Amino acid sequence: GEDVEQSLFLSVREGDSSVINCTYTDSSSTYLYWYKQEPGAGLQLLTYIFSNMDMKQDQRLTVLLNKKDKHLSLRIADTQTGDSAIYFCAESPRTGGFKTIFGAGTRLFVKA
Amino acid sequence: DGGITQSPKYLFRKEGQNVTLSCEQNLNHDAMYWYRQDPGQGLRLIYYSQIVNDFQKGDIAEGYSVSREKKESFPLTVTSAQKNPTAFYLCASSIGIGEQFFGPGTRLTVL
Repeated sequence: GEDVEQSLFLSVREGDSSVINCTYTDSSSTYLYWYKQEPGAGLQLLTYIFSNMDMKQDQRLTVLLNKKDKHLSLRIADTQTGDSAIYFCAESPRTGGFKTIFGAGTRLFVKA
Repeated sequence: DGGITQSPKYLFRKEGQNVTLSCEQNLNHDAMYWYRQDPGQGLRLIYYSQIVNDFQKGDIAEGYSVSREKKESFPLTVTSAQKNPTAFYLCASSIGIGEQFFGPGTRLTVL
């Protein structure tokens, strides 16, 4: 079945790069997403990548997609304390209608 | 400003009571969704609606009900049949497949 997996915690020092990894199972997925959730709030879309792309860069964010291994990563350069949040990887399977499958989320801790 | 709102932010319920969570959007989106979030489990889909007057069960629909009488509104009722309703509930909407826009969430606590 459809599944998205990611590690639950990541801790980095302020100024370092953060890399959050995700694996997914549905090779038919059209879009793959990274959402950010701050404490007590809803999710906000950070960035997304089409399944026919290998990489997407947006300011401090770099998304890498390895379709062969079904692996998605999010790199945050020069991580700041304001980046502390939960980051969700998600996929939209081609056969899933409007459904989006979310991972459990990676909680990023940024130490000053 | 366009957006999606949920009310109330915090809700307390006694065991055995039904309670309805509100979700409204003015983004003119066709699709709306309800998710439940528990610590360490990510988001689980309760119900979704792709168009007015139509909705589908998600992965954990038991003990919940919804209606979609208007495009802007997708209320969720947590019934007394839901055995463990304490959680953070998130509503979202989308144009179709693609980015989902989330509300701020409602935290439900059963006393």
